Amino acid sequence: DAGITQSPRYKITETGRQVTLMCHQTWSHSYMFWYRQDLGHGLRLIYYSAAADITDKGEVPDGYVVSRSKTENFPLTLESATRSQTSVYFCASTTVQGAVRYEQYFGPGTRLTVT
Amino acid sequence: AQTVTQSQPEMSVQEAETVTLSCTYDTSENNYYLFWYKQPPSRQMILVIRQEAYKQQNATENRFSVNFQKAAKSFSLKISDSQLGDTAMYFCAFMKYSGGSNYKLTFGKGTLLTVNP
Repeated sequence: DAGITQSPRYKITETGRQVTLMCHQTWSHSYMFWYRQDLGHGLRLIYYSAAADITDKGEVPDGYVVSRSKTENFPLTLESATRSQTSVYFCASTTVQGAVRYEQYFGPGTRLTVT
Repeated sequence: AQTVTQSQPEMSVQEAETVTLSCTYDTSENNYYLFWYKQPPSRQMILVIRQEAYKQQNATENRFSVNFQKAAKSFSLKISDSQLGDTAMYFCAFMKYSGGSNYKLTFGKGTLLTVNP
C-alpha cells in the first residue's frame, strides 16, 4: 500500500527484552522521524534520519537505537525495554521538495506496553 | 531550543459554533513553519493547516483558519461551524527550515476538543 506504515500496531513485551518497531514509507521521502507520545507530553522526537545511513538523536534518545540502510525503512529498536518506554510510537516522513515540502506524514502508530 | 505552549488542556464547544484554540511559541529563528495537527480517537495524526512565517496572510482551509501574530509569537486555530467529527486532540507544532534544522517538529502538549451535539 502507498503511504507510511508501521508494524506491529500493538505490542506487549517484558522488561529487558529487545523490541524492534518497523516503519516503511513508499514516497521515497529523504527525512524520517520517530516520536513517542505520552500523556501530558505531546509528541517528543526520539531519532531522525536525513537520508540512508544518516541518523541523529532527538530529544529523548536514551534506550533506543535506529538504523536506515534503505531510504524507505527506518526501524526503531529498544535494546532492553523498560516500563518507562511504554508509550505510543509514531513514525513520520517528509520531503523538502515540492508543494508539500516540510509537511510531515505520520504512520498509524504502535502502542507498546512493557510489563 | 524552541518551545511550544498550548495553555488549554481541554475545551468543549456546541455543534455549529465557533471555537479558538491557543498556541504560543518561543524561538529566535526567523525562518519557520507552524502547523496544527488533529488526532482523533483513531490515533492517526492528520495535518489540519500550515503557516509559513514569512507570509503575513493567515492560512485558511475550509472551516479552519489561523490567527498568526509573528511579533507576539502566537498561532491560534479557529474552527468554524464545529462538527462532531472535529472531536479530537489538537497539537500545535513548530519547525524551522534553515541552518541545518533537519525539519524536526516541536510539539505542544495538545488541547482535547470535544464537540457536543
